Amino acid sequence: DADVTQTPRNRITKTGKRIMLECSQTKGHDRMYWYRQDPGLGLRLIYYSFDVKDINKGEISDGYSVSRQAQAKFSLSLESAIPNQTALYFCATRDRKNTGELFFGEGSRLTVL
Amino acid sequence: GEDVEQSLFLSVREGDSSVINCTYTDSSSTYLYWYKQEPGAGLQLLTYIFSNMDMKQDQRLTVLLNKKDKHLSLRIADTQTGDSAIYFCAESPNSGYALNFGKGTSLLVTP
Repeated sequence: DADVTQTPRNRITKTGKRIMLECSQTKGHDRMYWYRQDPGLGLRLIYYSFDVKDINKGEISDGYSVSRQAQAKFSLSLESAIPNQTALYFCATRDRKNTGELFFGEGSRLTVL
Repeated sequence: GEDVEQSLFLSVREGDSSVINCTYTDSSSTYLYWYKQEPGAGLQLLTYIFSNMDMKQDQRLTVLLNKKDKHLSLRIADTQTGDSAIYFCAESPNSGYALNFGKGTSLLVTP
């Protein structure tokens, strides 16, 4: 089983709909992140959380919200989806110790029509 | 904010060496990373280098770090078609909370 699991893997929705992307991890890391990937733009940070009580905006948080329900769960919501939110979304956890690398989920592809 | 820069595309023939270059922005970065993204998949850590090192070799992979110029490179020897992927360079600023990624280099390996 994957250490970082994202659901759904693929979703097609319509403009104005509310969408939630969920992420759960079994790595025991306290730091969790949501990134968005667009062709030619690389990865951009949406939100991050250092623990259950901690939520921080990244560089492109407008139009998104997050919830850290537990140490292992971090969900991303689009309250009213718009077409330019069509992208590939990645959840990641971070190992603060050792090399500080990020561990990524497999991604959630969202299409907003 | 400042950007981690890398070229967007690289095409090589199977068996040749590939070199992917990156310039990063924060001289306080403790670790620098190379991630690989295969089609339809998430990012996987390929290798990393600690900032006090100049070079790291791991089988077919060689990472070179020039701290003065803030330049990082990834060399893949004997490139195979299975190496076709997007490669991301990332820095880990000491004062930072997240990794800063480049836009990714799409490597195409042709037979």
